[in-house]
Amino acid sequence: DAMVIQNPRYQVTQFGKPVTLSCSQTLNHNVMYWYQQKSSQAPKLLFHYYDKDFNNEADTPDNFQSRRPNTSFCFLDIRSPGLGDAAMYLCATSGPGLAGGGELFFGEGSRLTVL
Amino acid sequence: AQKVTQAQTEISVVEKEDVTLDCVYETRDTTYYLFWYKQPPSGELVFLIRRNSFDEQNEISGRYSWNFQKSTSSFNFTITASQVVDSAVYFCALGSSGTYKYIFGTGTRLKVLA
Repeated sequence: DAMVIQNPRYQVTQFGKPVTLSCSQTLNHNVMYWYQQKSSQAPKLLFHYYDKDFNNEADTPDNFQSRRPNTSFCFLDIRSPGLGDAAMYLCATSGPGLAGGGELFFGEGSRLTVL
Repeated sequence: AQKVTQAQTEISVVEKEDVTLDCVYETRDTTYYLFWYKQPPSGELVFLIRRNSFDEQNEISGRYSWNFQKSTSSFNFTITASQVVDSAVYFCALGSSGTYKYIFGTGTRLKVLA
């Protein structure tokens, strides 16, 4: 059974129209991550949560926000999507121990298309 | 600065051939972790292996083997007797002790032809 579930798998939005992507996990992991992956590029970390403690990467645009209402759920909000935000968005989790050394558990990703 | 380089963008092999995927990393940390993940067409990255910086022993798991050499900052991945199901994008990643930031390489797309 899938342990990290992302919805929707495919999202089409119009330029400037806000979009929310969701991620849920059944692993009870403390740490949740959002990565952006563009075609033929490395996954790029946008931010991560350790429990409710939010950690934003310095180069993550302000257009990207995140919420984590509880351990199981995490949301990625893109306030005004531009054409350059079209990408696969990957959610991942890891356990509390061994920071930097923990295995990441990924969802199947949400592919965002911006028209 | 931390960096992971996977110079091979795409590799094609015929089934049953052996194939090695290269990974070179840069870090100033003394304690760090190296990973390989597989991304099949479905999109979900799947963990394959983790190595910490103090353990340079090579590892073999079935048809998969990994060669970690600190002297050359490399963590290469070999698939023996490749199969069509091995077709995927493979990512090498680097984690630093004490942080939750993992750096990924750009991936190598492996195509195994029947």
